[in-house]
Amino acid sequence: NAGVMQNPRHLVRRRGQEARLRCSPMKGHSHVYWYRQLPEEGLKFMVYLQKENIIDESGMPKERFSAEFPKEGPSILRIQQVVRGDSAAYFCASSRSAQETQYFGPGTRLLVL
Amino acid sequence: EDQVTQSPEALRLQEGESSSLNCSYTVSGLRGLFWYRQDPGKGPEFLFTLYSAGEEKEKERLKATLTKKESFLHITAPKPEDSATYLCAVQDSNYQLIWGAGTKLIIKP
Repeated sequence: NAGVMQNPRHLVRRRGQEARLRCSPMKGHSHVYWYRQLPEEGLKFMVYLQKENIIDESGMPKERFSAEFPKEGPSILRIQQVVRGDSAAYFCASSRSAQETQYFGPGTRLLVL
Repeated sequence: EDQVTQSPEALRLQEGESSSLNCSYTVSGLRGLFWYRQDPGKGPEFLFTLYSAGEEKEKERLKATLTKKESFLHITAPKPEDSATYLCAVQDSNYQLIWGAGTKLIIKP
């Protein structure tokens, strides 16, 4: 049973480009969460999605960031017109239900030049 | 305001030297408290969930306990491979996780 999968593992973008981060949840999990982590800092919640619905996006910047979890396929975190401050590790987690344990993927490390 | 504070920020121990990590919290409607381990360059790895005061969970050299205000992660006779950052998170009444900043544990051989 594969765990949470994220790709790419590393992504380099120049300022102004778009970054697309993908997350495939564990089998049987329909709840997906995205977090951002800066070096030597804790995890910051960004957004919580279920299939085709955004449940909580209170941690997501209002501009340039969007997330989706379509009926088919992985969840995608999209960052438009990236800036150097977007450089961070982005983690996806999934769970079977809202109250159950969240399991994390290996993360995508975004570097903006 | 819901808050999670972990202490110490960093802890250096000799191999075999037992100690405890602390996670203090204030949250309305605690649903559960979670411990994770994170190695450099990797995602957090789930360790334990505790749901009510007095509950304890054990796994190899680790034991987690919970009171109404804090949780402890006790590590007994640690080995170098236990070196990692240990993260604590509490789940509030809306099922959202609130994270501590972590304790970086270094075990010297």
